[in-house]
Amino acid sequence: SQTIHQWPATLVQPVGSPLSLECTVEGTSNPNLYWYRQAAGRGLQLLFYSVGIGQISSEVPQNLSASRPQDRQFILSSKKLLLSDSGFYLCAWMDGSYEQYFGPGTRLTVT
Amino acid sequence: AQRVTQPEKLLSVFKGAPVELKCNYSYSGSPELFWYVQYSRQRLQLLLRHISRESIKGFTADLNKGETSFHLKKPFAQEEDSAMYYCALIPNGNNRLAFGKGNQVVVIP
Repeated sequence: SQTIHQWPATLVQPVGSPLSLECTVEGTSNPNLYWYRQAAGRGLQLLFYSVGIGQISSEVPQNLSASRPQDRQFILSSKKLLLSDSGFYLCAWMDGSYEQYFGPGTRLTVT
Repeated sequence: AQRVTQPEKLLSVFKGAPVELKCNYSYSGSPELFWYVQYSRQRLQLLLRHISRESIKGFTADLNKGETSFHLKKPFAQEEDSAMYYCALIPNGNNRLAFGKGNQVVVIP
């Protein structure tokens, strides 16, 4: 069966520091992968998605970037965090029937 | 561009009362529609999708193309239905889901 992992679960970082959040998927190959930010009252905001290794589409211009160095690995990064980057970040993959499966999420607090 | 609207942020209902979560969408084609649910301390997960036409945990949702709506309904709310609910749409041939802002449902014992 397929499994999706995210780490770390929680992270507290100072403003201006770098960020690296990792997401890995098991049990499937060449999945479509997604990064979302979930905020109260603002729903789920799609940040990036990837249909293959090295292929990244950005949905919202911002302080973040994404990379997909391996088929089942998706990384969300920033060179310098802003206060506004605080939030709950979700990784997901999509199967052939368009159902999305979500990871447990990372709670990021920028101080 | 496609858009999903969920008008109520917070919905409080008494146990045993009916619950209805409204979802309206804007898309000119034939979308596929979903309801996702996030229970406390659990992952966001699929509740139901319109093509399956199933009742899941007592919930149903009917796609009304004329009104561009996909409202979620349950005749008798249970305490375990307390959760965050998101309506989502995927356009034909696309691979990106558009989510609404979500509804927090609180079922009062």
